Amino acid sequence: SYELTQPPSVSVSPGQTASITCSGDTLEDKYVCWYQQKPGQSPVLVLCQENKRPSGIPERFSGSNSGNTATLTIIGTQAMDEADYYCQAWDSNTVVFGGGTKLTVL
Amino acid sequence: DVQLVESGGGLVKPGGSLRLSCAASGFTFSSYTMIWVRQAPGKGLEWVSSITTRSSYIFYADSVKGRFTISRDNAKNSLYLQMNSLRTEDTAVYYCARARTAPTGDWYFDLWGRGTLVTVSS
Repeated sequence: SYELTQPPSVSVSPGQTASITCSGDTLEDKYVCWYQQKPGQSPVLVLCQENKRPSGIPERFSGSNSGNTATLTIIGTQAMDEADYYCQAWDSNTVVFGGGTKLTVL
Repeated sequence: DVQLVESGGGLVKPGGSLRLSCAASGFTFSSYTMIWVRQAPGKGLEWVSSITTRSSYIFYADSVKGRFTISRDNAKNSLYLQMNSLRTEDTAVYYCARARTAPTGDWYFDLWGRGTLVTVSS
């Protein structure tokens, strides 16, 4: 079965750039989306592919997807961005989530 | 408001059954594929099952195949998950979510409910 691998945690200072990676076989051939989940809340779609952001998601969220790695980048990270982030792809009629990355802003 | 509201969670003994519901409002429910996703305490997201608009295609994760049944009633704007032979490892918050189709044909999920907690314990 298809797997997506994320680092368990990433730390960033306020105002700096955070990068969260997601790895999977030939991931560049898949449509990768990212979800943000804050404690006690449900997941929220923040980005698909490079720059497909839902209404209300700040422009500081962007992405890339090349080779076997997709990356979520947050430029000018704010304290409110502290959350768990999950990548997601679709493979052979199954939905695959990465294990999640806890982003700490300190 | 556009929203999804899950219900039906609770405490059940191992081997027991439970039926979850997800009520949709504010959008044309019958036009969207829907899914269930669960999250065990302190763990990540795990896809459970998907159902297309007319229930033509249904898919399950291996972990629930043969025990869980997804269904929908478009007239009632509702999604369901019948869970039988429950195990302790099924303990989780269960979310329903709305699927969108990407230009590639892949699915992603733009609307999530708040979840309902299922606890399987003796």
